[in-house]
Amino acid sequence: GQNIDQPTEMTATEGAIVQINCTYQTSGFNGLFWYQQHAGEAPTFLSYNVLDGLEEKGRFSSFLSRSKGYSYLLLKELQMKDSASYLCAVKNTDKLIFGTGTRLQVFP
Amino acid sequence: DTEVTQTPKHLVMGMTNKKSLKCEQHMGHRAMYWYKQKAKKPPELMFVYSYEKLSINESVPSRFSPECPNSSLLNLHLHALQPEDSALYLCASSLSPGGWNQPQHFGDGTRLSIL
Repeated sequence: GQNIDQPTEMTATEGAIVQINCTYQTSGFNGLFWYQQHAGEAPTFLSYNVLDGLEEKGRFSSFLSRSKGYSYLLLKELQMKDSASYLCAVKNTDKLIFGTGTRLQVFP
Repeated sequence: DTEVTQTPKHLVMGMTNKKSLKCEQHMGHRAMYWYKQKAKKPPELMFVYSYEKLSINESVPSRFSPECPNSSLLNLHLHALQPEDSALYLCASSLSPGGWNQPQHFGDGTRLSIL
């Protein structure tokens, strides 16, 4: 079976740091992607990890531990526009399997 | 705006109608995908086309029929849909199907309502 779990909802304050966790159990693994999706819009690619460790891209960083089946997305210096759903997705050969998604709300 | 273009943006159809959703990309991508997304849920994979050939069908009912006329276009033909098929249908593309670090690029989707 395929299980990719994330917290359903999170809240944070503008300017703060938030960490969104993702745990996975999948039959195969070819990498882990993070996407951002604003309501009514397309998912947009944020980051990718295939090896253990931290990948940093501006205000966003993503971490992967393959042995633990665990990843997180770190968002720094939160802005109001960061209010969105964040989707963790595991690539398994040609397939991208999405996690349950985390709705993040940023307050002033 | 995204580099994957989907039309129409909205579609309302009856259960006996036949309609098609269209998807186009000009990034030279050779893998294209259809997803279904219900409200407050993640996208669910329906079909994968690899070099214009259907490589994955996730046990999708036959009332959904995909077609890939060429490397830039992907269609989804709809016939005799059910109310539970109402959802956002997303098209995506990536450079090649098995590429390790190649993200999928999504279109804005077609919001489909079945009456």
